[in-house]
Amino acid sequence: GENVEQHPSTLSVQEGDSAVIKCTYSDSASNYFPWYKQELGKRPQLIIDIRSNVGEKKDQRIAVTLNKTAKHFSLHITETQPEDSAVYFCAAIGSTSYGKLTFGQGTILTVHP
Amino acid sequence: KAGVTQTPRYLIKTRGQQVTLSCSPISGHRSVSWYQQTPGQGLQFLFEYFSETQRNKGNFPGRFSGRQFSNSRSEMNVSTLELGDSALYLCASSLTSGGSEQYFGPGTRLTVT
Repeated sequence: GENVEQHPSTLSVQEGDSAVIKCTYSDSASNYFPWYKQELGKRPQLIIDIRSNVGEKKDQRIAVTLNKTAKHFSLHITETQPEDSAVYFCAAIGSTSYGKLTFGQGTILTVHP
Repeated sequence: KAGVTQTPRYLIKTRGQQVTLSCSPISGHRSVSWYQQTPGQGLQFLFEYFSETQRNKGNFPGRFSGRQFSNSRSEMNVSTLELGDSALYLCASSLTSGGSEQYFGPGTRLTVT
């Protein structure tokens, strides 16, 4: 089955810096890669996603890149703000995986004012 | 549109008991996936339902079961509760069961004593 590895497990940055979180996946059939942000005590929130026919997607301060050959994808947050502090999860799913998102282990991002 | 809702939000049960959790998806969404979230194991897929049919199942014992109703609402049941079942149980709804966006509910926090 699919396996998703996520790094780093913790990331500490100063406000205004950029943050990058990387994930690798094992199943070449995976074709949809969402990123979730989970604040303490809250539900995971879908913040951006990318499909296998796209190499990069951007939404304001966040962007995701996908390298299908290397089977890795990354989340980039620019101009970080304290409210970006949360746990971020990457995930992967194939079109025949019937609802099964396979998640990375999560990255605790702390943005210091 | 109203988001995904889950009831109850908190539950305390004792070992050996059973529990039923409920999930109401976003209107128009036909797929409901269930996940278990724990600090040690992260987010793990339990099962997925689409049009009242279970289409995928994760690596959990048979004590974990679920169903989906004609209005797409879903329930999951855990029988003979064990201490290790203490977790946050999240459901997510999506339009289809392939690689489409999944939106999470707030979760049910289950504590087994």
